[in-house]
Amino acid sequence: AQSVAQPEDQVNVAEGNPLTVKCTYSVSGNPYLFWYVQYPNRGLQFLLKYITGDNLVKGSYGFEAEFNKSQTSFHLKKPSALVSDSALYFCAVRLRNSGNTPLVFGKGTRLSVIA
Amino acid sequence: NAGVTQTPKFRILKIGQSMTLQCTQDMNHNYMYWYRQDPGMGLKLIYYSVGAGITDKGEVPNGYNVSRSTTEDFPLRLELAAPSQTSVYFCASRPRDNQLETQYFGPGTRLLVL
Repeated sequence: AQSVAQPEDQVNVAEGNPLTVKCTYSVSGNPYLFWYVQYPNRGLQFLLKYITGDNLVKGSYGFEAEFNKSQTSFHLKKPSALVSDSALYFCAVRLRNSGNTPLVFGKGTRLSVIA
Repeated sequence: NAGVTQTPKFRILKIGQSMTLQCTQDMNHNYMYWYRQDPGMGLKLIYYSVGAGITDKGEVPNGYNVSRSTTEDFPLRLELAAPSQTSVYFCASRPRDNQLETQYFGPGTRLLVL
């Protein structure tokens, strides 16, 4: 079975400070990992993904995430937060080469960046 | 192209009524998905389809039905609406190629059952 845990319901950070949104996963093999962002009253937008290769993945809007196999983590980071980064962030996982198995999403973490 | 479109944007239903949530994508994606989003619960998969004529149950299929007669369309049917189905519903699609894994989401349909 696949699962994703986002241990924080809410993360607050001051504008200009670095931010981290945590994600850990569980799959019985190698994963595909994703981050999506949801702004108010909108659908989810793709942010970045890890498929294979370099463990550090860079995505949209200056976000990055590091795949850590030993810790089964895929934390989302940004060096300097903006107020416009305030949104709901979802981590998702799928077992690599698992055919048509759907993505499994975490519960989401609400990021609030305070000016 | 328009991507994934959903209609209606918002609907109020009475208990026991039925309705169909429409989802269309113009990216020629094989895979399509329906999710519901409840506050603090993340996204739960209702049904998905890997191509025209093929559908599979997700985590929470009870009370819903789907069909996939064309590649473009993946409607979600509620036969007897219940208050527990009050939620925001998202449709998504992705191509079959595993290297193009990204799912594309529609803007959502907000449903209120009273």
